[in-house]
Amino acid sequence: KAGVTQTPRYLIKTRGQQVTLSCSPISGHRSVSWYQQTPGQGLQFLFEYFSETQRNKGNFPGRFSGRQFSNSRSEMNVSTLELGDSALYLCASSLFANTEAFFGQGTRLTVV
Amino acid sequence: KNEVEQSPQNLTAQEGEFITINCSYSVGISALHWLQQHPGGGIVSLFMLSSGKKKHGRLIATINIQEKHSSLHITASHPRDSAVYICAVRLNQAGTALIFGKGTTLSVSS
Repeated sequence: KAGVTQTPRYLIKTRGQQVTLSCSPISGHRSVSWYQQTPGQGLQFLFEYFSETQRNKGNFPGRFSGRQFSNSRSEMNVSTLELGDSALYLCASSLFANTEAFFGQGTRLTVV
Repeated sequence: KNEVEQSPQNLTAQEGEFITINCSYSVGISALHWLQQHPGGGIVSLFMLSSGKKKHGRLIATINIQEKHSSLHITASHPRDSAVYICAVRLNQAGTALIFGKGTTLSVSS
């Protein structure tokens, strides 16, 4: 059974650009959550999606957005990139809300 | 004050030692997770607990809901256990949003 797949694994972008990250959950999982990890702030919650609906959003500016498709795959988008957006972005999938979460390997974004 | 506090922040051990990592939280939760992160970033879910105790191989996790405290124990530690261990709680409300502790960096030498 394939795990959670995040693409790309590594990304370098320039300030002001936008970026889209992708997360394919475990087959059958309907819940996808996104997290940002930085050395200073640790892991912080970005969004949670269930059956194409955003159920919860963390305390991040509107430049951070996301969506979930009918096949449960999810994307997150960051517009007008800032240096401080450099981080490891992780997604996790679970069968339903409040069941065990399985994490992907993450996308390491560097903004220069 | 962070809602999830872990201790110690760093831990060094010799192979074979018994390890304990603690996690305290200040909010009502529906579940607590212990996660392991190796260099390179990938996170592995070790346990999800809502009460009592769970065991998997050399790993044991306990939770005391009344005291808002959980512990992760590693028996007979091994260098391959070297990683960052992260405690995360799911709030007592709908959704899967997790609040994370800062992590405990464990280094086990042979």
